[in-house]
Amino acid sequence: AQTVTQSQPEMSVQEAETVTLSCTYDTSENNYYLFWYKQPPSRQMILVIRQEAYKQQNATENRFSVNFQKAAKSFSLKISDSQLGDTAMYFCAFKSNFGNEKLTFGTGTRLTIIP
Amino acid sequence: NAGVTQTPKFQVLKTGQSMTLQCAQDMNHNSMYWYRQDPGMGLRLIYYSASEGTTDKGEVPNGYNVSRLNKREFSLRLESAAPSQTSVYFCASSDGRGRGYGYTFGSGTRLTVV
Repeated sequence: AQTVTQSQPEMSVQEAETVTLSCTYDTSENNYYLFWYKQPPSRQMILVIRQEAYKQQNATENRFSVNFQKAAKSFSLKISDSQLGDTAMYFCAFKSNFGNEKLTFGTGTRLTIIP
Repeated sequence: NAGVTQTPKFQVLKTGQSMTLQCAQDMNHNSMYWYRQDPGMGLRLIYYSASEGTTDKGEVPNGYNVSRLNKREFSLRLESAAPSQTSVYFCASSDGRGRGYGYTFGSGTRLTVV
């Protein structure tokens, strides 16, 4: 079974700074998908970014980018020019390329942006 | 464009009571899921339905039952609620095509069992 580990339960950073959230995972598969989800206080789960394992290029969505290191099984999220609205729980998630589409989540990182 | 609708949003139960959490999606998705979220544990899969008429256990199925009523609706039932089932429950759906697109979550149900 796959596992996803987020080793930083909480982080805080000053507004406008850059912050990196760590995620490692364990799988024996070669093709799979990785995701970062944001959960603000509203509780809604919001997809931030998606990475396909067979693609070498790191995914980018505006201020959000990932550093995908397949050999190291690492998938970190970088938030540039952080904003107060980035304050949220962030979850890393894994999806196998086989079978159904269930997601395996990490335990989350609570990020606080300080004004 | 409702997406995934969960009801109720909040519920308090007494130990031993039963209840059903309702979930409906209007995106014509094939697959639906129930997760629970607990502090320090992320989201864990309770049950899922890959397609209409099928259901399978996830990581933490004990104490729960599900029904895929039709393609739109996937309900989660607690037959005899226990304090350990105090959690936030999320329903989700996906297109089932395997590419990881279109995964949509409901807004969650906060359940407290006293």
